[in-house]
Amino acid sequence: GESVGLHLPTLSVQEGDNSIINCAYSNSASDYFIWYKQESGKGPQFIIDIRSNMDKRQGQRVTVLLNKTVKHLSLQIAATQPGDSAVYFCAENKGSYDKVIFGPGTSLSVIP
Amino acid sequence: NAGVTQTPKFQVLKTGQSMTLQCAQDMNHNSMYWYRQDPGMGLRLIYYSASEGTTDKGEVPNGYNVSRLNKREFSLRLESAAPSQTSVYFCASSTGGGYYEQYFGPGTRLTVT
Repeated sequence: GESVGLHLPTLSVQEGDNSIINCAYSNSASDYFIWYKQESGKGPQFIIDIRSNMDKRQGQRVTVLLNKTVKHLSLQIAATQPGDSAVYFCAENKGSYDKVIFGPGTSLSVIP
Repeated sequence: NAGVTQTPKFQVLKTGQSMTLQCAQDMNHNSMYWYRQDPGMGLRLIYYSASEGTTDKGEVPNGYNVSRLNKREFSLRLESAAPSQTSVYFCASSTGGGYYEQYFGPGTRLTVT
C-alpha cells in the first residue's frame, strides 16, 4: 500500500550539532512534500516544503533534500538548539489535489 | 486573527454517545482538514474539504461524518462513539489550489469510555 514512513523513530543530538531526519515514501505520484514540527501538547507547525521538480530547498537553518530515485526525503537542521526538541513529521500530497497524508514521525531530543 | 480554533478542548464521552467537534478558520482558506492523532503516532487524515461545498474521505473515515458549513467552518461528527475513537483531533486549513502549507488548531482531546 501507499505510505510515508520514517527510518528512525527517535534521534538524540548534542546542542550545536547538525540533525538529519529521514523519511521514506512509496507513492511515485506524490509531487509535494512538507515537513512539520510538533511540540508537546500543540498542533503541528509548518517548517518547509519541496515540490517534486526540485531536489533541494533551504530555509532558515533547515534544508530539505528530495531523492526521487530512491523515494527518500530528509530534513537537515543546522546548529541544533534546545528549542528544536520536538516530533518531526514528513507529509505528502500523494498526487491527489489537496489531500495531505502524514508519516509516523521522529522524536528529536537535543542534549544541552 | 485567531487562525484555526477548535471547540471543545477536552471531551469525555460514553460509548454510543454522539458529539460534534467544531472548527473555524479566519484566514479565508479554501481547504480544511480533520486529522486524528493517537498516542505516540502520526496524524491520520479522516476527511478533508478542498472547497466550500465539497468533502472527501481520507485514510480513516469510518465512524465519522463531516460538514463544511461555509468557507470558515468545518465540523466533525461522531454519531456513535467507540473507545477506538479515543484520540486527539486536529483541524487544519490551507490556501489550497496546490498550496499545501497547513495551519493547525490546538486540538481536541477526546476520551471514550
